[in-house]
Amino acid sequence: DAKTTQPNSMESNEEEPVHLPCNHSTISGTDYIHWYRQLPSQGPEYVIHGLTSNVNNRMASLAIAEDRKSSTLILHRATLRDAAVYYCILRTSSTLGRLYFGRGTQLTVWP
Amino acid sequence: ETGVTQSPTHLIKTRGQQVTLRCSSQSGHNTVSWYQQALGQGPQFIFQYYREEENGRGNFPPRFSGLQFPNYSSELNVNALELDDSALYLCASSLDRGLGNTIYFGEGSWLTVV
Repeated sequence: DAKTTQPNSMESNEEEPVHLPCNHSTISGTDYIHWYRQLPSQGPEYVIHGLTSNVNNRMASLAIAEDRKSSTLILHRATLRDAAVYYCILRTSSTLGRLYFGRGTQLTVWP
Repeated sequence: ETGVTQSPTHLIKTRGQQVTLRCSSQSGHNTVSWYQQALGQGPQFIFQYYREEENGRGNFPPRFSGLQFPNYSSELNVNALELDDSALYLCASSLDRGLGNTIYFGEGSWLTVV
């Protein structure tokens, strides 16, 4: 399984930016970096994904290191609704693109 | 709203019984995968279907089986239920198998085995 390493937990205050790190040192050239989040009792929700370049969408930004061995999910202004478990996942051709969910990062947002 | 719908949302079965869970994928999505999520853990890949063929399987016994229909909807069948099968079962769909495609999840089916 394509492995990623994330901190178990992080905290933020509401309306502050949040930077969620992810290490993926074994990434290969065709692997995509995907981020999902999951609220309690709900299915995982797609956040963002990228290959080499930084990506922005309405939810977040993804900053990918030049060597692609790490990435950072950026929530520009955290809200209480952003409190969730965030999963950084590599989609690889060797595993037919399946999503391997590790333990993720539990993000707590304080009002 | 992801366009992936699952049924039933909750069900209770007795050990040894069989269960069928259903999934309607997002319109036009030909790839469907199933995941099992036990309480307090991340989702675990069960298997994936692409254009009605099984296209990858995780570490689950043969009593976990599935189908994908011509309209790309899918079923997950579990025979001889065990207590450890109690979990949230998630269906996910994507446009095709491309690694850059987004995978959309349904809200899941909660299965309790007693």
